[in-house]
Amino acid sequence: KAGVTQTPRYLIKTRGQQVTLSCSPISGHRSVSWYQQTPGQGLQFLFEYFSETQRNKGNFPGRFSGRQFSNSRSEMNVSTLELGDSALYLCASSPVRGSPEAFFGQGTRLTVV
Amino acid sequence: LAKTTQPISMDSYEGQEVNITCSHNNIATNDYITWYQQFPSQGPRFIIQGYKTKVTNEVASLFIPADRKSSTLSLPRVSLSDTAVYYCLVVASGTYKYIFGTGTRLKVLA
Repeated sequence: KAGVTQTPRYLIKTRGQQVTLSCSPISGHRSVSWYQQTPGQGLQFLFEYFSETQRNKGNFPGRFSGRQFSNSRSEMNVSTLELGDSALYLCASSPVRGSPEAFFGQGTRLTVV
Repeated sequence: LAKTTQPISMDSYEGQEVNITCSHNNIATNDYITWYQQFPSQGPRFIIQGYKTKVTNEVASLFIPADRKSSTLSLPRVSLSDTAVYYCLVVASGTYKYIFGTGTRLKVLA
């Protein structure tokens, strides 16, 4: 069974640009969550999608957005990039909402210069 | 939402048992406690979850006292490959949010 796949693995962007990250969950998993991980702030919850609807949102500005498609694949978008957006962005999937066991991808390392 | 507090770091020697305690004072009645392991440049990996008392699987045990305000992850006979960051988190039953704490950086020494 394939795991959670995140693309791309690495990305370098310039301040002010926008970026889209992709996450393909494990087959059959309908809940997808996104996290930002930085050395200073640790793992922070961004948002959760289930059945193509955003169900939860963390404390991030509106520049951070996402969506989920009918096949449960998800994308997150960050507009007007800032240096502080440099981080490892992790996606996790689970079969149902609130499952204690979530399966994480390897992440996308975003560097903003 | 239950906030978790863990020690920042711990050192241990190979073959020893390691216990990492996490406090979660505001845990709600239906919240679950879970633990994840993370290696550098990888996503966290689920280790174990529990609601109360004791849970054991092939890699770890989880002890939860009756008041559920803390939990202890026990790793038996650690090896060098267990060097990682261990996160305790509470899955909020009402909101389904996963709130990660700061994590405990475990270093296993030869």
